[in-house]
Amino acid sequence: DTAVSQTPKYLVTQMGNDKSIKCEQNLGHDTMYWYKQDSKKFLKIMFSYNNKELIINETVPNRFSPKSPDKAHLNLHINSLELGDSAVYFCASSPPQGRATEAFFGQGTRLTVV
Amino acid sequence: GQNIDQPTEMTATEGAIVQINCTYQTSGFNGLFWYQQHAGEAPTFLSYNVLDGLEEKGRFSSFLSRSKGYSYLLLKELQMKDSASYLCAVRAPSGANNLFFGTGTRLTVIP
Repeated sequence: DTAVSQTPKYLVTQMGNDKSIKCEQNLGHDTMYWYKQDSKKFLKIMFSYNNKELIINETVPNRFSPKSPDKAHLNLHINSLELGDSAVYFCASSPPQGRATEAFFGQGTRLTVV
Repeated sequence: GQNIDQPTEMTATEGAIVQINCTYQTSGFNGLFWYQQHAGEAPTFLSYNVLDGLEEKGRFSSFLSRSKGYSYLLLKELQMKDSASYLCAVRAPSGANNLFFGTGTRLTVIP
């Protein structure tokens, strides 16, 4: 069983388009995240959601909007895509803070904007 | 702000021992994680330190010194499959379990 799954795995699209990446976790975790990994392999947090509430937004352009229909899902919507948005986007989830456990990552979505 | 530094690349020989260092300067600290990431794959958890000292898990060990803002990951009996990127991440003490990652160290194991 896949713990954190995201779709699609690859996404190629033109500048200016709007696209979505879906993420689902079956671990019963309370918090989900979106990370962006650029061409230099630097993994940077974009959003985290705890119990359907956005609790941090790390200076991400407002063209990016996370949507969480329920605790198990955190989708990423991107409007007016730009060339610089090309990267690998990872979804992750983790249990409540206070427990010494790690975040689990999805397999990533490689977004290419042409 | 968060500043986490690691060497960009390292090379080591199969069967040897390699130590990957990580230094951090963060606004708050609530644990340090090491992740392994093979090319084209997701990061996977290796180890976690929140108190000073050494944590050992098989061929992998991780050390933390909070006063020095320093950690290292020690890999013993290197195997070719250990060629990967190793990511150091610090967890913020905020309401979320946010992880702030270093740039990662790409380790190449040679025969």
